[in-house]
Parts: sequence; C-alpha cells; structure tokens
Amino acid sequence: GEDVEQSLFLSVREGDSSVINCTYTDSSSTYLYWYKQEPGAGLQLLTYIFSNMDMKQDQRLTVLLNKKDKHLSLRIADTQTGDSAIYFCAPAFYGGATNKLIFGTGTLLAVQP
Amino acid sequence: DAGVTQSPTHLIKTRGQQVTLRCSPKSGHDTVSWYQQALGQGPQFIFQYYEEEERQRGNFPDRFSGHQFPNYSSELNVNALLLGDSALYLCASSYRRAGARGGTQHFGDGTRLSIL
Repeated sequence: GEDVEQSLFLSVREGDSSVINCTYTDSSSTYLYWYKQEPGAGLQLLTYIFSNMDMKQDQRLTVLLNKKDKHLSLRIADTQTGDSAIYFCAPAFYGGATNKLIFGTGTLLAVQP
Repeated sequence: DAGVTQSPTHLIKTRGQQVTLRCSPKSGHDTVSWYQQALGQGPQFIFQYYEEEERQRGNFPDRFSGHQFPNYSSELNVNALLLGDSALYLCASSYRRAGARGGTQHFGDGTRLSIL
C-alpha cells in the first residue's frame, strides 16, 4: 500500500535549522513533494525532488532523498517565525494518465522567537 | 495570473442533504484533483479529472461524484451527507501535458464543509 509517515511535532528556535523527516512505503513514486499549510489555508507548494536525485537545494530549503530506505527529509536553514506551519511530504503515484498525491498526517513546526 | 479558486469558502449543511463544490483551475492547467482533509489529518485523494473523465479514484464511496467541464473547471458533488463528511475539501490543478508523469499540483484554499 501507499503509506506516508511523519513525526507530529517539531520545535526549534528562530535562526536554527529545522529538519522534517518523512518515510514512505511504496517506492514507485517518480516525484516527491513538500507542501506547507498555514492555519485556515490551503497547501502551498514548497519544493519537490525527482526520484533519481539524492539532493535538491532551493534557497533556504534542502531536500534529501534516500530511495533505498524510502526516507525523505526537508531542511530549512535559518528558520524564521513565519515558517511556523504544518509541513506535508507527498509522494506522487502515477495512474490513469496523471498522478495522485499521498499525504501523511503532517509535521507541525513551531518556531520560538 | 489567477491561481486555483474554489467556491464557496464555507458551507453548512445538515445530514442527508446534497452539496456541490466548485473549482476553477490555475490558468493553463487541464487536470483537476479533489482531496478531503479532516481536522488534524493530511489530505486524502478523492478523485481526479482529465479530459472531462474521471481518471483515478481514491477509497471514497459512490456518494462522492464529480464532473469536469470543457473549460477545465470542475465540480465535486456529495449526496446523502453524513456527519463524517465534515472536512476541508481541497481542489488541486496541474498541467497533464507537462510530461508523461503528470504535472505539479497547485492547491486552492479549500471549501470548509460543516455537517450538522
């Protein structure tokens, strides 16, 4: 089956780095996404990584992929209070001409000033 | 460049009623997916429309149905509403022709549905 697991909560101090981890069960996904959700809002696309890559850097964001262990992580450098939100990892699974996203329960990131 | 827009933003219904939610995709997108997000949970895939046909479906009963129009906009219909249908309903659009594996999904702000 397609399952995604994330730790529920992470607390960091402003200026520190945050690392949010994700494990998934089905390795057939081609793209793996990270989304951010602020209270009462929809999902904001942060970044993604293609399954044949190990790492992708996008400004303050670094994504690491260990396909053998089915482990994905998102590192946020110089974390700010505005980064406080829920973060979802979402592998994409292809079928029926396009792809669907499978989400875990998300990680609540709390940034202390 | 308008992003994904959903209407209405909030809706209150009673058990047994029927509801229709609407979604306009981001300009240039041709595929619409619907997700249900219960409180404290991650979004769950309901179904996806491309070329006016349902292409994939998640583990949702037939009470959930949809439609895609020639202008790529979409509707989600839910019949015989249950208390458990209370959730945030998210629409996402993407550009299928971006590649054989489909494009990146961009989300709207959702419709908050409350069932009394």
